[in-house]
Amino acid sequence: GGIITQTPKFLIGQEGQKLTLKCQQNFNHDTMYWYRQDSGKGLRLIYYSITENDLQKGDLSEGYDASREKKSSFSLTVTSAQKNEMAVFLCASSIQLGGQNEQYFGPGTRLTVL
Amino acid sequence: QQQVRQSPQSLTVWEGETAILNCSYENSAFDYFPWYQQFPGEGPALLISILSVSDKKEDGRFTIFFNKREKKLSLHIADSQPGDSATYFCAAMLSGSFNKLTFGAGTRLAVCP
Repeated sequence: GGIITQTPKFLIGQEGQKLTLKCQQNFNHDTMYWYRQDSGKGLRLIYYSITENDLQKGDLSEGYDASREKKSSFSLTVTSAQKNEMAVFLCASSIQLGGQNEQYFGPGTRLTVL
Repeated sequence: QQQVRQSPQSLTVWEGETAILNCSYENSAFDYFPWYQQFPGEGPALLISILSVSDKKEDGRFTIFFNKREKKLSLHIADSQPGDSATYFCAAMLSGSFNKLTFGAGTRLAVCP
């Protein structure tokens, strides 16, 4: 088995601040994902990466940057936090691109912007 | 536009009843449909999935019924237990899309003892 670790668990920021969220996986999975979860809106894909140093934009990439420094880690940066923003950011990984491979999710980082 | 829709938004059933969660989609090219279960404070976890070549998939108390012509599917949870209380997400994927899943907004299920 393996695990996905997300840090921090809770993140409180100020309007306009640049905020970085980190994700580590020890599954040795090729593909990693960042999703945003808002209440009542399901999960929306922000960025994904099919291998180290690769980045692909999802449906919600505006306002975010991402970085895949090595196979096991994938970070997400909120470039300018929006006032009163509240969401959960979920990191996931899967074994390979293509096919029907299960995505494994981390516990999430809960963002609040004051 | 929302490509995957779920209903109802929330559902309450008694212990022992069958809970029925509905999902519909717009893109007829979607061919893989996983259902994820999420408990508060945790990330979603794969519960059961179906390919579009099948019309039914069973795993214990959980069954997916799939109607390709109507672009609808449903998750039936038989003999519901309080421990099944969670949010359930229907998702859809197009083969060859790098595992990109499109999620519905979820159904929050409460099972009362």
